[in-house]
Amino acid sequence: QKEVEQDPGPLSVPEGAIVSLNCTYSNSAFQYFMWYRQYSRKGPELLMYTYSSGNKEDGRFTAQVDKSSKYISLFIRDSQPSDSATYLCAIFSNTGNQFYFGTGTSLTVIP
Amino acid sequence: GAGVSQSPRYKVAKRGQDVALRCDPISGHVSLFWYQQALGQGPEFLTYFQNEAQLDKSGLPSDRFFAERPEGSVSTLKIQRTQQEDSAVYLCASSTVRGGLGNQPQHFGDGTRLSIL
Repeated sequence: QKEVEQDPGPLSVPEGAIVSLNCTYSNSAFQYFMWYRQYSRKGPELLMYTYSSGNKEDGRFTAQVDKSSKYISLFIRDSQPSDSATYLCAIFSNTGNQFYFGTGTSLTVIP
Repeated sequence: GAGVSQSPRYKVAKRGQDVALRCDPISGHVSLFWYQQALGQGPEFLTYFQNEAQLDKSGLPSDRFFAERPEGSVSTLKIQRTQQEDSAVYLCASSTVRGGLGNQPQHFGDGTRLSIL
């Protein structure tokens, strides 16, 4: 079993839609949770970071962590064509040095 | 520089050749990571440096893979006797370590796309 599982999609939504992206993880020791956005032929860029259960909001983006269910989500409100990219979840535990990434979900926002 | 720089951006090599991939991290960043990203997959951890010390190399897939960071800044990932399964994008990321590794965002380069023929 992989440390983190993510539905690869692809996901296609109309402009203005609310997008929900999700990951599950296997180890309750994981403490830090991140979402990265990766455009084609580019490196990942950090969107959101959190270390506690609950919600964290930044503009149109909301990261949600449910440690009891080992489930993390990213919500994108009022989605824009410029949001079209691959979204990667990542997790980290202080007991190691490794960040574990999901496989990524490919999102296309149609104008 | 302003960000993490990787070179070359593209590398084509014949099976059996050796290749060397370079990473220039953000100035002052203590931590440096190498990842391998296969098509349609997320980045997979290869190795981690703190300054010049290689603290974790558990993700290196075989002894053909070797990484170094001799002066604690620029890092080189070397692959010897390349195989077709080595074809992937190799990403480098750097970060500070203030407050712990998990507390600091990783800044990624745009990667080196390696194709082995």
